[in-house]
Amino acid sequence: DTGVSQDPRHKITKRGQNVTFRCDPISEHNRLYWYRQTLGQGPEFLTYFQNEAQLEKSRLLSDRFSAERPKGSFSTLEIQRTEQGDSAMYLCASSSPGTGTNYGYTFGSGTRLTVV
Amino acid sequence: AQTVTQSQPEMSVQEAETVTLSCTYDTSESDYYLFWYKQPPSRQMILVIRQEAYKQQNATENRFSVNFQKAAKSFSLKISDSQLGDAAMYFCALKSSGDKLTFGTGTRLAVRP
Repeated sequence: DTGVSQDPRHKITKRGQNVTFRCDPISEHNRLYWYRQTLGQGPEFLTYFQNEAQLEKSRLLSDRFSAERPKGSFSTLEIQRTEQGDSAMYLCASSSPGTGTNYGYTFGSGTRLTVV
Repeated sequence: AQTVTQSQPEMSVQEAETVTLSCTYDTSESDYYLFWYKQPPSRQMILVIRQEAYKQQNATENRFSVNFQKAAKSFSLKISDSQLGDAAMYFCALKSSGDKLTFGTGTRLAVRP
């Protein structure tokens, strides 16, 4: 297992287009998290899943954003009708069952989105 | 609501010297966890050290140690014998209620050879 994988690493899109990112967590981790990190800021929580259930969504997650985790394995984050303000690094993380975030996450390398 | 504040946007240290990064936080919870994460340029964020609030003893991990002052809600990171590979953004993070982390804005650490 090579850790948390995110695809693509970089995405440039035109304003108004839809984009989808993928995250593959560590296989035995049942919790998966999405964060957004803008330049000069720390990561901000977007949403998280336990298995296939989406348990919490941030107010930051407008109705243009949707996340899924079918079958409790990989997850996708889709942004519809992208805006320039969506330009950011989108980070995925996963954590072990039974401990949750008490022992910290394992992060992926992120997907950098640029909306032009 | 919980908040994390890192008041040092940038720090610099000479190789082999010691540097301390500051972090203050606020939470109404009595049970919580604190973390320091390291984010090298264009690389993934990795966990450096963690501290349980109920433990009075400060956590240590090799060259990394923390000074946890619960009453002052302060959680600083000390890096001893700094190495060139320590250069990165360092984020302080808090987990209290719920299953998400609240991060500070980060401190960029430069290591001078």
